[in-house]
Amino acid sequence: AQTVTQSQPEMSVQEAETVTLSCTYDTSESDYYLFWYKQPPSRQMILVIRQEAYKQQNATENRFSVNFQKAAKSFSLKISDSQLGDAAMYFCAFLQGGSEKLVFGKGTKLTVNP
Amino acid sequence: DVKVTQSSRYLVKRTGEKVFLECVQDMDHENMFWYRQDPGLGLRLIYFSYDVKMKEKGDIPEGYSVSREKKERFSLILESASTNQTSMYLCASSSAGEGAGELFFGEGSRLTVL
Repeated sequence: AQTVTQSQPEMSVQEAETVTLSCTYDTSESDYYLFWYKQPPSRQMILVIRQEAYKQQNATENRFSVNFQKAAKSFSLKISDSQLGDAAMYFCAFLQGGSEKLVFGKGTKLTVNP
Repeated sequence: DVKVTQSSRYLVKRTGEKVFLECVQDMDHENMFWYRQDPGLGLRLIYFSYDVKMKEKGDIPEGYSVSREKKERFSLILESASTNQTSMYLCASSSAGEGAGELFFGEGSRLTVL
């Protein structure tokens, strides 16, 4: 079974600085997708970014980018120019190709200090 | 604006009571999910439905059942609530195929069982 590990239960960053959240996964499959989800306090979870395993280019969405290292099974999220609104729980998730069910990591709580 | 709506944000129930958590999506999604979220444990899948009247057990189905009589509605049922079912419950939906993994979440239902 696939597993997703987020080794940092909590992280903090100063406003306007850059922070990187770590995620590793374990799979023997070659066809899969990786995601980062954001859950702000008392608000619903939303998708931040998605990466297809077959794509070598790292996905980017505005200030959010990933560092996808397929051989190392690593999928970190970089947030540039951090803003107070980035404070949230961040969950890394894995989807095997052909499946409909995500496997989530345990999450990283990000605090943004003014 | 796409939406997943959970019927109750906060519920307080007694041990042994039957509890219904309702979820409605307006995106005509095939897939619907119920997750349980606990601190330090991340999101754990309780049940998944890929079509009307179709369901699959997730990682922690014990003590829960589900119902999907209409495509837009997915209900989670606790037949006899217990204190260890005190938790945050998240409903999500996604389209099948290419849209798999891109989940749309509701705001969550925080259940307290006394």
